[in-house]
Amino acid sequence: QKEVEQDPGPLSVPEGAIVSLNCTYSNSAFQYFMWYRQYSRKGPELLMYTYSSGNKEDGRFTAQVDKSSKYISLFIRDSQPSDSATYLCAKMDSNYQLIWGAGTKLIIKP
Amino acid sequence: DGGITQSPKYLFRKEGQNVTLSCEQNLNHDAMYWYRQDPGQGLRLIYYSQIVNDFQKGDIAEGYSVSREKKESFPLTVTSAQKNPTAFYLCASSLQGGSTEAFFGQGTRLTVV
Repeated sequence: QKEVEQDPGPLSVPEGAIVSLNCTYSNSAFQYFMWYRQYSRKGPELLMYTYSSGNKEDGRFTAQVDKSSKYISLFIRDSQPSDSATYLCAKMDSNYQLIWGAGTKLIIKP
Repeated sequence: DGGITQSPKYLFRKEGQNVTLSCEQNLNHDAMYWYRQDPGQGLRLIYYSQIVNDFQKGDIAEGYSVSREKKESFPLTVTSAQKNPTAFYLCASSLQGGSTEAFFGQGTRLTVV
């Protein structure tokens, strides 16, 4: 079992829909979580990070952590075609290195 | 403009040749990283360096080598010992090891024929 699991998709939704992207993790140590967005043939860029249970909002994006279920989510409200990208979740390990999920490819249809 | 520059964007090499990928940053970051990205596998850490003249192996270091002679530069050499070198290579840096935010370059797509 990988330490961070993420469905690679693709996930296709219509413009304006609420998108839910999810990851699960197995190791409860160092519970710092990050969401990165990666456009095709580009490097990833940090969207949000969080280390506490509950929700963290930034504009149309909400990161949610459920430590009891070892489940992290990223919600995108009012999705736009420009949100089409691969979304990577990552968790910091005890060596302060990032453990990455496989990334979910998101397609927003106009 | 501050950032990380990887070059070249696309690289083609014949099997059996060593090739060096460039990574330069002007963010004054101490830590630098090399990742390999394959479809459906996420990012896998090849090497990282938390300070000049020091670096550590990541999860898939076999067939790769690095150097960190200057703070700004962290080149990666893909050697002929790497059995499956065709991949997308990403360089990243962070203020220090353990920082929550890593800044990435635009990547180098290496194709070995």
